[in-house]
Amino acid sequence: KAGVTQTPRYLIKTRGQQVTLSCSPISGHRSVSWYQQTPGQGLQFLFEYFSETQRNKGNFPGRFSGRQFSNSRSEMNVSTLELGDSALYLCASSLVWGSNTEAFFGQGTRLTVV
Amino acid sequence: QQQVKQSPQSLIVQKGGISIINCAYENTAFDYFPWYQQFPGKGPALLIAIRPDVSEKKEGRFTISFNKSAKQFSLHIMDSQPGDSATYFCAASTNYGGSQGNLIFGKGTKLSVKP
Repeated sequence: KAGVTQTPRYLIKTRGQQVTLSCSPISGHRSVSWYQQTPGQGLQFLFEYFSETQRNKGNFPGRFSGRQFSNSRSEMNVSTLELGDSALYLCASSLVWGSNTEAFFGQGTRLTVV
Repeated sequence: QQQVKQSPQSLIVQKGGISIINCAYENTAFDYFPWYQQFPGKGPALLIAIRPDVSEKKEGRFTISFNKSAKQFSLHIMDSQPGDSATYFCAASTNYGGSQGNLIFGKGTKLSVKP
C-alpha cells in the first residue's frame, strides 16, 4: 500500500511570493492534516480536512490556507511568503477525522524562503 | 492548556542499554498518546500509541508507560541499537475543546545510541 505522498520535496521561493504544496493520502484515508516543523517551534498543527471540509485549524495567520478535493487529495497554500515560513511542511493522513485515529506522515516538503 | 512537555532534549545511550523519554501533559481531556520516530530527511513514523484506559503497552522493544494521575507518559526502548538513533516525539490529542483530533507534539528527543 502506497504511503502518503507529498510534492514537491523541495522548494525555494522569494519573499512575497506564494506557494502551493500537494499531498496525496493513503488510499482509503479521508482525513488529511498539515503540520509545520521548524527547529525552534517543533511540530505545529496547521489544519485538518475531512470530506472536503476544514474541520480544525491551528493558530496560524490567514496567509496559510488549504483545501481538499473529492478524491481526498489536499493542497495547502501560503501567500505573501515571509522568511519565517521556511520550514518542513508535513502532511498526515488518517482513515477518519478526530482523536484516536492513527495518523501517517509523508516525507514532507522542505520550503526555503529567501 | 494544550502543551505537551518532553524531556530530555537529547539522550546518549550505549548499545544494549535502555532509553527512556518522558512526557507530561496538562489537558486531562487528552485521550490518545502516540509516539513518533523521525529520521533525518523523513517524516515522523508512528511507533506506538496508548489510550488512557491502560497503564502500559509493549510492542517489541518499545514500551509506553502511562500514569493518568500524574499526567505523564514515557517511552522505554529496551536493548537500544544504533539503528534506533533518531528523534522521538511524543504527542497527544483529544476530541474536545475545539482541538478535535489534531496532534499536540512535544519538542522532541534526539537519541544517539553508541556502538
